Amino acid sequence: GESVGLHLPTLSVQEGDNSIINCAYSNSASDYFIWYKQESGKGPQFIIDIRSNMDKRQGQRVTVLLNKTVKHLSLQIAATQPGDSAVYFCAENYNAGNMLTFGGGTRLMVKP
Amino acid sequence: DGGITQSPKYLFRKEGQNVTLSCEQNLNHDAMYWYRQDPGQGLRLIYYSQIVNDFQKGDIAEGYSVSREKKESFPLTVTSAQKNPTAFYLCASSLTILAGGRGQNEQFFGPGTRLTVL
Repeated sequence: GESVGLHLPTLSVQEGDNSIINCAYSNSASDYFIWYKQESGKGPQFIIDIRSNMDKRQGQRVTVLLNKTVKHLSLQIAATQPGDSAVYFCAENYNAGNMLTFGGGTRLMVKP
Repeated sequence: DGGITQSPKYLFRKEGQNVTLSCEQNLNHDAMYWYRQDPGQGLRLIYYSQIVNDFQKGDIAEGYSVSREKKESFPLTVTSAQKNPTAFYLCASSLTILAGGRGQNEQFFGPGTRLTVL
């Protein structure tokens, strides 16, 4: 089965609020994680990544938090905008190659 | 303008026919990947190639075939043996492993091809 456990729930937020999308992973050897955003009918786009030697990484309006103790990854989006509406996937890498294992995704809906 | 392209965007196939999906990249990436995505689902790996003239099966390779004759190109053939081929197909590429260390892990995705079997 998949080592990244992210079912496809829907998160509905009000425009301007902060969003938090969660991801649980099961492979303690994973050392690299990526968040992707996928808009309807398009390919996934890279948002932010983090290596296992870090707990937090910030980008523009996005922050990824990594808790290795409980094998949990989260994506925080500040001041959520309608353009943030999409499906968000986390992915992990736990081998020496570039293989990624993807979770099932979370749909984010932003209400105006 | 560097990137990864897929064609066609929409493809219709009759049952029993083979069909080939195109994937081209000019990012000078060594590794390329094919994923299948069903509605409301995540990505499942079909095939991947770390280098020209070499490719490996992913998790759901049955009914699919690939070739990697050129670094830039990684076409996917959906054969008649694939029992449920209607899906969204995504191609991706990445830098490969650097000698003695880790390579860049980020995969860059194409826009996808939606295949419908009639």
